[in-house]
Amino acid sequence: EVHLVQSGAEVKKPGESLKISCKGSGYSFTSYWIGWVRQMPGKGLEWMGIIYPGDSDTRYSPSFKGQVTISADKSINTAYLQWSSLKASDTAMYYCARFKWEKGGWFDPWGQGTLVTASS
Amino acid sequence: QTVVTQEPSFSVSPGGTVTLTCGLSSGSVSTSYYPSWYQQTPGQAPRTLFYSTNTRSSGVPDRFSASILGNKAALTITGAQADDDSDYYCVLYMGSGIWVFGGGTRLTVL
Repeated sequence: EVHLVQSGAEVKKPGESLKISCKGSGYSFTSYWIGWVRQMPGKGLEWMGIIYPGDSDTRYSPSFKGQVTISADKSINTAYLQWSSLKASDTAMYYCARFKWEKGGWFDPWGQGTLVTASS
Repeated sequence: QTVVTQEPSFSVSPGGTVTLTCGLSSGSVSTSYYPSWYQQTPGQAPRTLFYSTNTRSSGVPDRFSASILGNKAALTITGAQADDDSDYYCVLYMGSGIWVFGGGTRLTVL
C-alpha cells in the first residue's frame, strides 16, 4: 500500500529557517512526482510545486517560486519543503502528496499534513 | 491571471442529487485542462475523487461522477449521504507545468 508520512508539527519564530519532510513507501519513489499543497487557516488548498525524485526536476507555482525550496533525497525516499526565513503568513497546514504527471496531473494519495506555526 | 471558480457553498438533502462546478474566470473548461477533484472533511487530509476529467480514484463510491458540462467541469453526487458533507476542490492544468486549485465548495448535507 502506498503511504506518505509527514514530519510533525512545528512552532517557529518569524525569521527562522525550517525544513519539513514527507517519506514515501509502498511504491517506486523515483518514478512519481511528489507535490506540496498549502492550506492557510480557514482557507482553501493552494498548489505549491512538485519534484521528481528520480532527477530532482522541480516545478513551482509562480505564487511560491522564490518563497520556498522543494527538494528530495531519493536514497531515503523523502521529499522536503523548506523556508530560509519564515514569515507569520507562512502559518498553515502543509500537505504532501504523490503526483502523477500524465495527461494533466493529479495528487493521490496524500500525507497526513504538517502544521507550521510561525509566531513571535 | 485566470482564476478557477467554484460555488462557495451548496446544500443538498440526504438522498438528493447535487452538481458542483469548476470553471474559469475567462474561457471554458475542456478535457484539455484535465480536471481533478478532491474531497476534504474538516480536520482531515484531502482525498482524491477523480482525475483526467472522469477517472474515478480507487475506493470512490459510484454515487460520485465527474464530467464536462457545458463550459465547466462538474462533480455530481447522486443519492447524497451524510458522509458527503465536506469541502470539494477542483484542480485544472493550465499548461507549462502549472496547476491551479479552485477556491472550493462547502457542501452541506441536511
